[in-house]
Amino acid sequence: KAGVTQTPRYLIKTRGQQVTLSCSPISGHRSVSWYQQTPGQGLQFLFEYFSETQRNKGNFPGRFSGRQFSNSRSEMNVSTLELGDSALYLCASSLVQTYNEQFFGPGTRLTVL
Amino acid sequence: GNSVTQMEGPVTLSEEAFLTINCTYTATGYPSLFWYVQYPGEGLQLLLKATKADDKGSNKGFEATYRKETTSFHLEKGSVQVSDSAVYFCAQSGGSNYKLTFGKGTLLTVNP
Repeated sequence: KAGVTQTPRYLIKTRGQQVTLSCSPISGHRSVSWYQQTPGQGLQFLFEYFSETQRNKGNFPGRFSGRQFSNSRSEMNVSTLELGDSALYLCASSLVQTYNEQFFGPGTRLTVL
Repeated sequence: GNSVTQMEGPVTLSEEAFLTINCTYTATGYPSLFWYVQYPGEGLQLLLKATKADDKGSNKGFEATYRKETTSFHLEKGSVQVSDSAVYFCAQSGGSNYKLTFGKGTLLTVNP
């Protein structure tokens, strides 16, 4: 069974631009979560989606948004990029029954210049 | 709120040495506890888990026991290998908040 896939793997953007990251969960997994990983703050929860509905959101500004499609694929969007948004963005998927056992993708490395 | 505290790294060991990485948590209720490992340039991999008090999670020679009385979930391995070099994260999840809360991570380097 294929794992969680994320595209693109690497992105370079400039301040003020916007970016969209994509995540395809493991087949059969309907819950998708997003995390931001930085050296200073570590791993921080962004949001979680199930059945196209956001069930929980972390403490991030409104510039960070996401959505989930009917096939469980998910995207996250960051508008008006800031230098501090440079990070590894990780997507994780899980089965409904064991939602807290999450399987992670390789991440998208975003660099904001 | 819920939080996880794990020992600061980096930890440097020689091959075949004994490993302990301490992890404690604060939570309302009884969370599930996890150890994840991250190899360079990769995402996180679930190493082991425990869902209730006194459960012992184990995988690839690593073990951790869910201790409710000390709110701890320390990671141990009896004999580390060079291939164990990675960053290890302790995490918790509980209730209906649908998220993992992670510790800061501990970098382990094992020298031959």
